[in-house]
Amino acid sequence: QQQVKQSPQSLIVQKGGISIINCAYENTAFDYFPWYQQFPGKGPALLIAIRPDVSEKKEGRFTISFNKSAKQFSLHIMDSQPGDSATYFCAASTGTSGSARQLTFGSGTQLTVLP
Amino acid sequence: GAVVSQHPSRVICKSGTSVKIECRSLDFQATTMFWYRQFPKQSLMLMATSNEGSKATYEQGVEKDKFLINHASLTLSTLTVTSAHPEDSSFYICSARDWGSGTEAFFGQGTRLTVV
Repeated sequence: QQQVKQSPQSLIVQKGGISIINCAYENTAFDYFPWYQQFPGKGPALLIAIRPDVSEKKEGRFTISFNKSAKQFSLHIMDSQPGDSATYFCAASTGTSGSARQLTFGSGTQLTVLP
Repeated sequence: GAVVSQHPSRVICKSGTSVKIECRSLDFQATTMFWYRQFPKQSLMLMATSNEGSKATYEQGVEKDKFLINHASLTLSTLTVTSAHPEDSSFYICSARDWGSGTEAFFGQGTRLTVV
């Protein structure tokens, strides 16, 4: 029930295209859904995050779409660039402010944006 | 944004020796820090949750005596890999929560450990 399932495992997109990565969860107690970007040999960096009280959040070229009833959320990268080539992880956590907020990670998506 | 500094970024050690990895929150106080292990092309696997001033909570299957965690202050947690073996070679990453905001977890740069 703690799992977060992520797809696809790998994704190749042409420069300027839209990259879409999907995640699904089972635990309805999850209330925080971040996306992380990781380059080889580096730690993950937060891209964008959403809470279940909104259905969409946009920051620059990155958009999270959230479907509470389907227990799914996705990351859309508009106008994908070669510099976006990295591994992307979705995650989810439970708990109110002050709790440990342990993150449950998806399995990751290796994105390659072709020039 | 908040910064978490992890050191060293790379370390090579001989089998049987111990290695200490430091994780520091530079501009916020972190009551809770997390230690992860990541194998090539895989996701992050939580090893333990480190709480300032108390014992760490280890995930199932993680050897407490091999992976010693100390969280002596609100800005520093350390992971010591004791009696390292080649199978301990991996990428270790720490994460710290911002005590003030209570929301976000920030990640260190990671430590590539190679045991020869």
